[in-house]
Amino acid sequence: DQQVKQNSPSLSVQEGRISILNCDYTNSMFDYFLWYKKYPAEGPTFLISISSIKDKNEDGRFTVFLNKSAKHLSLHIVPSQPGDSAVYFCAASGGDMRFGAGTRLTVKP
Amino acid sequence: NAGVTQTPKFQVLKTGQSMTLQCAQDMNHNSMYWYRQDPGMGLRLIYYSASEGTTDKGEVPNGYNVSRLNKREFSLRLESAAPSQTSVYFCASSLSWGTSDRQYFGAGTRLSVL
Repeated sequence: DQQVKQNSPSLSVQEGRISILNCDYTNSMFDYFLWYKKYPAEGPTFLISISSIKDKNEDGRFTVFLNKSAKHLSLHIVPSQPGDSAVYFCAASGGDMRFGAGTRLTVKP
Repeated sequence: NAGVTQTPKFQVLKTGQSMTLQCAQDMNHNSMYWYRQDPGMGLRLIYYSASEGTTDKGEVPNGYNVSRLNKREFSLRLESAAPSQTSVYFCASSLSWGTSDRQYFGAGTRLSVL
């Protein structure tokens, strides 16, 4: 069973606009959430995280929002840049770390 | 600054052959992990080692064995490879297990089983 779901396999946005990537989870025991970014032929790299006791965390152009009641989190990238084109994985931790299937973001110049 | 190093990068096996994927980290991390990535499935945990001397099953352990050789090294063995094990394998490490510590990943091993 997939406890972490990213329902959009792909997303395309124009450079300078906002990118919003979504993630849903089913296990209420998860207490920490992370986003990883992956370029082709490389391993995932950590991007940003949020504890379950917060509802927002910001780091430069990247902001993660957590809605615990809806079991939903989102990653906002503003403004989007061509170098942000990658696959983004949502992950949830409560012991084991569980990953979503990923969303491929393409930022067009 | 190597981080997490995986070898080999690519491998082709015939059904029934065995092989070992190697992983080493130089960050003095206590915990290490093996994942597989399949299309539409994300990363799934095969085995992990919370600390040197311990190993535990993850989400999809069948057909695999692991060895935590020392604090730096964590290997994954396929005793009798099957086509269903065709995947990209990632090794990762973190300071500790079961916390908010981020994981650091190697570049992956792309394995094809014919």
